[in-house]
Parts: sequence; structure tokens; C-alpha cells
Amino acid sequence: EAQVTQNPRYLITVTGKKLTVTCSQNMNHEYMSWYRQDPGLGLRQIYYSMNVEVTDKGDVPEGYKVSRKEKRNFPLILESPSPNQTSLYFCASSPYGQGRTEAFFGQGTRLTVV
Amino acid sequence: GIQVEQSPPDLILQEGANSTLRCNFSDSVNNLQWFHQNPWGQLINLFYIPSGTKQNGRLSATTVATERYSLLYISSSQTTDSGVYFCAVEPDTGGFKTIFGAGTRLFVKA
Repeated sequence: EAQVTQNPRYLITVTGKKLTVTCSQNMNHEYMSWYRQDPGLGLRQIYYSMNVEVTDKGDVPEGYKVSRKEKRNFPLILESPSPNQTSLYFCASSPYGQGRTEAFFGQGTRLTVV
Repeated sequence: GIQVEQSPPDLILQEGANSTLRCNFSDSVNNLQWFHQNPWGQLINLFYIPSGTKQNGRLSATTVATERYSLLYISSSQTTDSGVYFCAVEPDTGGFKTIFGAGTRLFVKA
């Protein structure tokens, strides 16, 4: 089954404790992206990746890191989480180039930083 | 940067009614997508529609790129259509960002 898998689904952590949210897709998509969703603000893009070892900033990259060492995985790293990073996070993937079609989203990760 | 505006922000329908959701964007785009976020938070792609018209069952969408808007039509609405509808665009600025509108929150009453 074609899917984007995020883990964990729910996470409560303390300020400053490094964490990683994993994202994996099984569709061989080139493009992967991370978003955060906050009430009243919709979805905002954090980082995206066009392919292995190619990443770039979205609209709200501060406080986040990403890496794309393999095509299927695109982890989101919070080196020193703060309460303002409490949010609902989504990972997405899509093909790119001539085969461009719709994006597929993971189930979401609800993060609370206390 | 590009502005993406969706209207109306909120919509309440009686089951069986039809509706039109609108997405306006302020600059040229390479592509446009419509998504539905159900009450459980899951995001489902509805249409990838940089231009033209597409239909899928009771839903259809039209994008007029030259006039910078897209419309999502929902016919014979059902309670399962409730949730938030987002449009998302990739600006034609040489990068590959994706910008979402704020969404239209739809509630369909039985």
C-alpha cells in the first residue's frame, strides 16, 4: 500500500531535549516536505527536499533541521525544542518532474513541548 | 510573497445542498492542489489541478490560472464531507515551496 509513515503520532517532551520525528515513504517520490499546522494559521512549510542530499527552507525553518540521506526517509530534527514548537506536524511526499501528481500526507505528529 | 486566500472561511450546509469554495492567489503558480482535512485530522488529496477542470464523483474543480483562481464544487453534500478544505500552490518563482491557504471549514448537517 502506498503510504507516508510518520512516527511518533503523539509526543510530549520538555524544553531543550533533542527529538527526531521520522518520515518514510514507499512510493519512490523525489519531493518530500514538512509542515506545521497551528490554529488560525493553516499549514506552513518548514523544509522541503527535491531529492537525496537536496534540501531547502520553507516559510518557517527556524528551530528545525532536516536531512535526506536516502530517498525514502526525511526526518525532522528539533535540536532544542521550545514551547512555541508545540504543534501538529505533517510530512508529505510527491513525485516531481514530468510525472508530477498530487501530494500524499502522513497521519500527523502531535507534539507538545512543556 | 504570494498570497493565497480562500473563501468563505466557514460554511454550514444542509445535507444534499451544493456549494462552491474559492481559492484566489496573487501571483503565477506552477501547480495547485485541493485537500480535505477530515475531523480526525487526516489530510486527503482531492485534486492536482494547475489548470482546467477535473471531476471525481460529487466533487469537481476548475482552475483558471490566467485569472489566478480555483474553484472546488461539492454537489449533494453529505455529512462525511465535513472538515476543512485547503488549496495549496507552488509559486512560479523558481523555487519549490508550497503555500497553503487558511482553509474553508465546512459543516454538513444531517
